[in-house]
Amino acid sequence: AQSVAQPEDQVNVAEGNPLTVKCTYSVSGNPYLFWYVQYPNRGLQFLLKYITGDNLVKGSYGFEAEFNKSQTSFHLKKPSALVSDSALYFCAVRDRDYGNNRLAFGKGNQVVVIP
Amino acid sequence: NAGVMQNPRHLVRRRGQEARLRCSPMKGHSHVYWYRQLPEEGLKFMVYLQKENIIDESGMPKERFSAEFPKEGPSILRIQQVVRGDSAAYFCASSPAQDSYEQYFGPGTRLTVT
Repeated sequence: AQSVAQPEDQVNVAEGNPLTVKCTYSVSGNPYLFWYVQYPNRGLQFLLKYITGDNLVKGSYGFEAEFNKSQTSFHLKKPSALVSDSALYFCAVRDRDYGNNRLAFGKGNQVVVIP
Repeated sequence: NAGVMQNPRHLVRRRGQEARLRCSPMKGHSHVYWYRQLPEEGLKFMVYLQKENIIDESGMPKERFSAEFPKEGPSILRIQQVVRGDSAAYFCASSPAQDSYEQYFGPGTRLTVT
């Protein structure tokens, strides 16, 4: 089984301040991890992924995420938030079992960047 | 390169009617996935298809729901005899190969059952 928890419903941050969106996961084996962003009435846009290698991965729009195996976490971070970062953010996990292409998503976090 | 396309974007059906949702994957992608997003929830996997084959339908409701991805044309998610609980956003995603990592999502179809 595979699952994701995003514990906070909404994250409020002032423009220019650091942004963190939390994610913890559960899989039977080793994970592939992803972050997606959803703007109103739009589909999901891929931000970044962790597959293997360096635990710190960098993605689009200045976002990065750190894979922590001991804490089963994959928190999304941005050093300086922009108003345009206001959106719904989803963390997703996929078990590495071959043939399992299903993504399991968290319920999402609404990020509000305050000018 | 056009992204994943879904139509219609909005669909209203009365209880008991049929809903047909279409998905055209990105050019060169032969793997299609359908997910459902209920209000206040994350996306839930429904089905994974390759051309002419259903690979994984572990997330599909046992009744009324079916999916296909024919050799020619878009993938179709079909919901027969819709009920109010089927109201949701249905997202399609595609990838170029089975061992591809990220999936690319379409804009979704918002189904409202009245």
